[in-house]
Amino acid sequence: GAGVSQSPRYKVAKRGQDVALRCDPISGHVSLFWYQQALGQGPEFLTYFQNEAQLDKSGLPSDRFFAERPEGSVSTLKIQRTQQEDSAVYLCASSLGLAGDSTDTQYFGPGTRLTVL
Amino acid sequence: GESVGLHLPTLSVQEGDNSIINCAYSNSASDYFIWYKQESGKGPQFIIDIRSNMDKRQGQRVTVLLNKTVKHLSLQIAATQPGDSAVYFCAENLTGTASKLTFGTGTRLQVTL
Repeated sequence: GAGVSQSPRYKVAKRGQDVALRCDPISGHVSLFWYQQALGQGPEFLTYFQNEAQLDKSGLPSDRFFAERPEGSVSTLKIQRTQQEDSAVYLCASSLGLAGDSTDTQYFGPGTRLTVL
Repeated sequence: GESVGLHLPTLSVQEGDNSIINCAYSNSASDYFIWYKQESGKGPQFIIDIRSNMDKRQGQRVTVLLNKTVKHLSLQIAATQPGDSAVYFCAENLTGTASKLTFGTGTRLQVTL
């Protein structure tokens, strides 16, 4: 079946603008994750959903970052009042969501590259 | 397309040779480890995983070795091909959690003809 999809693939925003990034997980995957990847770095965890519940948001860098998954499928990552340091690739991943199983493999989407001018 | 990992450590290998990519992980409580491959402009792609109760696991052309004593993970790629050129990341997951992969810094593998 289809993998994780993300849109838009590229987003350019002026400093101070709000942006919304969308993730469509693999059908049937209960868990959904957002990561931020700066150039030359590995992905860094932002937040995690199990169905519609946001169980961990410890990686969100500030209160300008907000994520939701209202119906337990599609998720949106919103960044308010964007700043230049927000420029990065934002990756979404999904997994089956085997409860409490740390071996639940995460499958990644292609990412959205955000550039803040 | 855009480049991933412009300033990452680089391993250059001739086509047909074996590659070994190393990773030091940070948390002794981690019990699950994964290697991902990331090509330019794409998201990380799952390659192989290993649980902490194992020290070796083999896949097709790839082998992962885990040394918990020194918190070291390695990925061996047999008969490296040009299509293997990418950035490789190791990731770890903590015991009892289904979230929050922690990624290493990555290694760029360049396959020369």
